[in-house]
Amino acid sequence: DTGVSQNPRHKITKRGQNVTFRCDPISEHNRLYWYRQTLGQGPEFLTYFQNEAQLEKSRLLSDRFSAERPKGSFSTLEIQRTEQGDSAMYLCASSRGTGSNEQYFGPGTRLTVT
Amino acid sequence: DAKTTQPNSMESNEEEPVHLPCNHSTISGTDYIHWYRQLPSQGPEYVIHGLTSNVNNRMASLAIAEDRKSSTLILHRATLRDAAVYYCILRVYFGNEKLTFGTGTRLTIIP
Repeated sequence: DTGVSQNPRHKITKRGQNVTFRCDPISEHNRLYWYRQTLGQGPEFLTYFQNEAQLEKSRLLSDRFSAERPKGSFSTLEIQRTEQGDSAMYLCASSRGTGSNEQYFGPGTRLTVT
Repeated sequence: DAKTTQPNSMESNEEEPVHLPCNHSTISGTDYIHWYRQLPSQGPEYVIHGLTSNVNNRMASLAIAEDRKSSTLILHRATLRDAAVYYCILRVYFGNEKLTFGTGTRLTIIP
């Protein structure tokens, strides 16, 4: 396993700009998840994919957020018109989708909106 | 989702066992008990899970009360690398794919 990778690791942007994050899951995992984590809190679920299908979206995922997984491999999370409240760590995880279905997390992308 | 309750923080001496408690009094029959931990500046990592019986793996042991309303994660010999936030999460085996994290227990290891 090469593990889940996320890019970039850090992103600083000005309010109102658009940002896009990428997640590369473990290669044989068909499920991919996005979470958001703010300081002192546990991660909060945003959305998940099985292969290329987006199967669940949290109410936290406003219209400014969109996620894709076009070929069932890597995924992107885009935030349009960023706001200061979007500042957080964005975590990606993947899983096999069988058995205990434990999730393997990447190191996250830390977004700071100034 | 059924809720879990954990202490905000705990301390333990290095090389001693650590018992991290979790209460889940509203657990349902289809809920598995999962534990994840998050080391500083890293994403969470899976530790262990169980349904009714106690479970052991290379990282830890999970002791589940007979009524399943509480569980304890046991680190047999804590090292400095075990300093992390530990999350106890209930998860239905089929469906409900997301993990619902609480605020967890911040474990400090004293050298």
